[in-house]
Amino acid sequence: GAGVSQSPSNKVTEKGKDVELRCDPISGHTALYWYRQSLGQGLEFLIYFQGNSAPDKSGLPSDRFSAERTGGSVSTLTIQRTQQEDSAVYLCASSLGGRGLETQYFGPGTRLLVL
Amino acid sequence: GQQVMQIPQYQHVQEGEDFTTYCNSSTTLSNIQWYKQRPGGHPVFLIQLVKSGEVKKQKRLTFQFGEAKKNSSLHITATQTTDVGTYFCAGTDSWGKLQFGAGTQVVVTP
Repeated sequence: GAGVSQSPSNKVTEKGKDVELRCDPISGHTALYWYRQSLGQGLEFLIYFQGNSAPDKSGLPSDRFSAERTGGSVSTLTIQRTQQEDSAVYLCASSLGGRGLETQYFGPGTRLLVL
Repeated sequence: GQQVMQIPQYQHVQEGEDFTTYCNSSTTLSNIQWYKQRPGGHPVFLIQLVKSGEVKKQKRLTFQFGEAKKNSSLHITATQTTDVGTYFCAGTDSWGKLQFGAGTQVVVTP
């Protein structure tokens, strides 16, 4: 594919609602990452998928956050019962393989605003 | 756990000047990557360093990996307004865990 795509590009929701964020990685990339970036801040690692291996969920901030990757391609990040502090840009990245050893290609991000 | 720190957090530069930003890790790294994020954009890969003491250049950008593989630097010469953005380093430890630094936000004054 042309690159990593994410949808929606912007999402405004009310506190307490659930949201789903989607990531389409580059075709053939086995590794997929989710990050969170608050305004003016660095990248906060959330979760990492590599092939068929169990995902590394060590960065998920609470049990309200979950993610899945279907068929080794598209991934969905779900935030349940959203809180105002969840407002941030959620970035997805994919790489050909090999955690940390390959270039990560980032999508444009989903800007989430929780009112 | 591994900590990757970047200094300075902010860098104001006059156009035409040089500056250096630093990336330091609490543990030895397998490799280090640098990314640039333009305002309103997403991080874009710049370069990867793997070998101890490695130095790589991209036009006006010089990247260096320390001899102990625990630190790295990015030096930009003759800064231009197109250099505006946040520069992130990301280090991989020996267990394959990748961690991004908080970034250095660069502002260029014409």
